[in-house]
Amino acid sequence: SAVISQKPSRDICQRGTSLTIQCQVDSQVTMMFWYRQQPGQSLTLIATANQGSEATYESGFVIDKFPISRPNLTFSTLTVSNMSPEDSSIYLCSVATSSRSSYNEQFFGPGTRLTVL
Amino acid sequence: DAKTTQPPSMDCAEGRAANLPCNHSTISGNEYVYWYRQIHSQGPQYIIHGLKNNETNEMASLIITEDRKSSTLILPHATLRDTAVYYCIAIMDSNYQLIWGAGTKLIIKP
Repeated sequence: SAVISQKPSRDICQRGTSLTIQCQVDSQVTMMFWYRQQPGQSLTLIATANQGSEATYESGFVIDKFPISRPNLTFSTLTVSNMSPEDSSIYLCSVATSSRSSYNEQFFGPGTRLTVL
Repeated sequence: DAKTTQPPSMDCAEGRAANLPCNHSTISGNEYVYWYRQIHSQGPQYIIHGLKNNETNEMASLIITEDRKSSTLILPHATLRDTAVYYCIAIMDSNYQLIWGAGTKLIIKP
């Protein structure tokens, strides 16, 4: 298994500003993912954070709005840019370890609860 | 990836077995069935997965029908801490893009 921490755990931000969320893993992992969970909804995959290269974004998500960095195998950041109230969500980081046979046994961080006013 | 259908909510008495059903009638031969749960205000937690054989681990058992069109997650002795939303996902092992449905909200009652 992997232990994942996220910072901040929650934040309240003003419209038009940006927030960077950090995800730290206690071991090197192959795959890291960022999800969004809007209030009362299920999870939606935003992107896969690739080490040393640009992230792979899912349909409906773009790099200008959600820039992602992954400088090494234990750390990634997600920035929510030019925020609007519609960005109010829980943002979750997850990882899949290279020792697993399946990338679908994912471990999740505790999430970052973002409120945009 | 196959679409899954789950009841929106279920109740279970503490100490009894909780049986959570999932329909995946369009599942293909190389798609696995994964179960996760999300306790309130926490990130999802992997529970178990299987292809066609029944599986058991320290958390739960997974029963997959012979035609693979449905499955049941069994929590053998439910506790109050098992209250959560349970998600059933059908996905190929080579595809890591989990598609999350609405899940089943399981409430364990004392």
